[in-house]
Amino acid sequence: AQSVTQPDIHITVSEGASLELRCNYSYGATPYLFWYVQSPGQGLQLLLKYFSGDTLVQGIKGFEAEFKRSQSSFNLRKPSVHWSDAAEYFCAGSSSYNTDKLIFGTGTRLQVFP
Amino acid sequence: GAGVSQSPRYKVAKRGQDVALRCDPISGHVSLFWYQQALGQGPEFLTYFQNEAQLDKSGLPSDRFFAERPEGSVSTLKIQRTQQEDSAVYLCASSPDLGETQYFGPGTRLLVL
Repeated sequence: AQSVTQPDIHITVSEGASLELRCNYSYGATPYLFWYVQSPGQGLQLLLKYFSGDTLVQGIKGFEAEFKRSQSSFNLRKPSVHWSDAAEYFCAGSSSYNTDKLIFGTGTRLQVFP
Repeated sequence: GAGVSQSPRYKVAKRGQDVALRCDPISGHVSLFWYQQALGQGPEFLTYFQNEAQLDKSGLPSDRFFAERPEGSVSTLKIQRTQQEDSAVYLCASSPDLGETQYFGPGTRLLVL
């Protein structure tokens, strides 16, 4: 079955530190992959997406993610975290034949200490 | 411009009551999606529309759940005879067309007592 897994439920980092949020996928073929961020009381906002081509994807707010087929991973990174990055982050995937049916991971809550 | 809006933002229902949740997509967006997000979980797909056509309703958990989009813009998700397990945040998203980025609303938090 198709699935997206986020192994880390909660991550805490200091402001200015680097960040990596993990995401693993299980799909029969190369999926379309997404990272969304959800702040309290706000809707999900798309940070970046991968469809094909360059495996390093740049997104908004200084985030990037790298697609690694050999590891079935699509980890999200940011070189220097800001306090405003504290939120819930969701990785999602969809199949190439049904690109609109997103399957989400369970999310990683990011806490940022000053 | 205006984003996706949902109403009500919060709804408390007694078990057995029927509820209706409204989604106003971004103007001109052809596709509309509903997701259910239980506490501590990621959103789960319920159904989606292209204009007024419901193309996939495989995620609706039971026949108590019904969604419509009669004129291809506003959509309503109706839950009949609500149960406690229906308590969740219901998210609506719209996109310019199929295969394009989905833009999410703030959600409706439903609590069934």
